[in-house]
Formats: sequence, structure tokens, C-alpha cells
Amino acid sequence: QSVLTQPPSASGTPGQRVTMSCSGSSSNIGSNTVNWYQQLPGMAPKLLIYGDNERPSGVPDRFSGSKSGTSASLAISGLQSEDEADYYCAAWDDSLNVYVFGTGTTVTVL
Amino acid sequence: EVQLVESGGDLVQPGRSLRLSCAASGFRFDDYAMHWVRQAPGKGPEWVAGISWNSGRVGYADSVQGRFTISRDNAKNSLNLQMNNLRPEDTAFYYCAKDISASIAAGENGMGVWGQGTTVTVSS
Repeated sequence: QSVLTQPPSASGTPGQRVTMSCSGSSSNIGSNTVNWYQQLPGMAPKLLIYGDNERPSGVPDRFSGSKSGTSASLAISGLQSEDEADYYCAAWDDSLNVYVFGTGTTVTVL
Repeated sequence: EVQLVESGGDLVQPGRSLRLSCAASGFRFDDYAMHWVRQAPGKGPEWVAGISWNSGRVGYADSVQGRFTISRDNAKNSLNLQMNNLRPEDTAFYYCAKDISASIAAGENGMGVWGQGTTVTVSS
């Protein structure tokens, strides 16, 4: 059971804004940066957001991350069909001494 | 082009051993921490192990501690995972991943590049 909790699903119509949360604790999100990964069906995860709110080169600015205390959020603006995927938050946990992934959120484009 | 290519996945019986390898290219290998991440069918990713740029710090998930050993050879740009006493619950797709930092537990870790993965199946 992961120490980072995400809602299992989120959905929206094309063009809408979708957000998803990631709830952790002081030993992970509260003291280390949060990353977000996108995993398309049959593919390896892809780093979408690092350092709480930074986008790697090539990631559209429709994706944005934020953090407050022990929770983080990922927002997708202008939702597109190709955004249908699983999204995972992740962070290092200082108490467990492991890198932890969230439970994952499946985004569906209606 | 930055590339990670895993190899060594196989079907093995419980209790046996297996060694995974990851060949890295396109970047300065000894500047970055490296990780193994696995994903069981229908499940989310699970971090397995990580190693800092100079092998000075390593870390393992509780589920593999004492059975798996991560190592790297910076001269050969390679990452390895020695897996002993394999269990059915170790069955998964195993990915090699490059960190954005030089050390694990750096506070700003993240896996910026992933390989295509290799399949490990543990079954009698």
C-alpha cells in the first residue's frame, strides 16, 4: 500500500481542465520535491513534472504541478485525447528511505 | 540520443537467481544516480533499488532488501541488478531509469529517462 494517495480516476471533455491530487506526509511530500509521471498504455512511465512544478523539455505547458504542505496537484489544461493515461505522483520518503510512487490516477477523455 | 537498454529478463523457478543489466548511452553515465523500477501486470510502478553516481549510497525497497543487489560499472556505462531467492511476487516488468540527480535521497530525485523494460517471470 502506497504512502502517496491519489484518486483512482478523473475525467473531462476535450478542452476542459482536469486536476488530480496526491496526498502524502511530512516525510515525503512535506520534505522532498514531487514528481509526476504519465504512463500511456503499454509504455514506460514518462517524467512529466519534476521539482514540484518544473517541466522537462518537450512536455507541453498544458501540464502544471503545484505543492502545498504535504499535498501536491497536477493540472491538465486544454485536455486532449492523447492525455488519456495513468498518472503517478512520486517522491523520496525520508522515513522509509525509499522512493515512493502514488496509487495512480487514470484520466479518461470523454 | 539518451538511451537505456535492459536485458536479462527470463522465466525462472522460485528460489532461483537472475541478473538484469542495463546498457546506458548518450549521456555522461557517472554524473547520475540510477534506479530499477518494476511494474507487475495491472499494477502501478514500484521502486526496487537505487544507486548514487559513485556507488557511495544504495537503497532498496523492503520487499527486496537482502535478496537483490544493485551495482554499476561507470567504466562500462552499465547498471546491474542481481536478484537472488526469487519469489512469485517478483514477477514484473523491470525498468532501468536515470535520475535527474547524482545521488539517491537527494531530496530532488526524479526519473527522467526510462528503458523499454525486461520481463521477469517467477513460476514453477
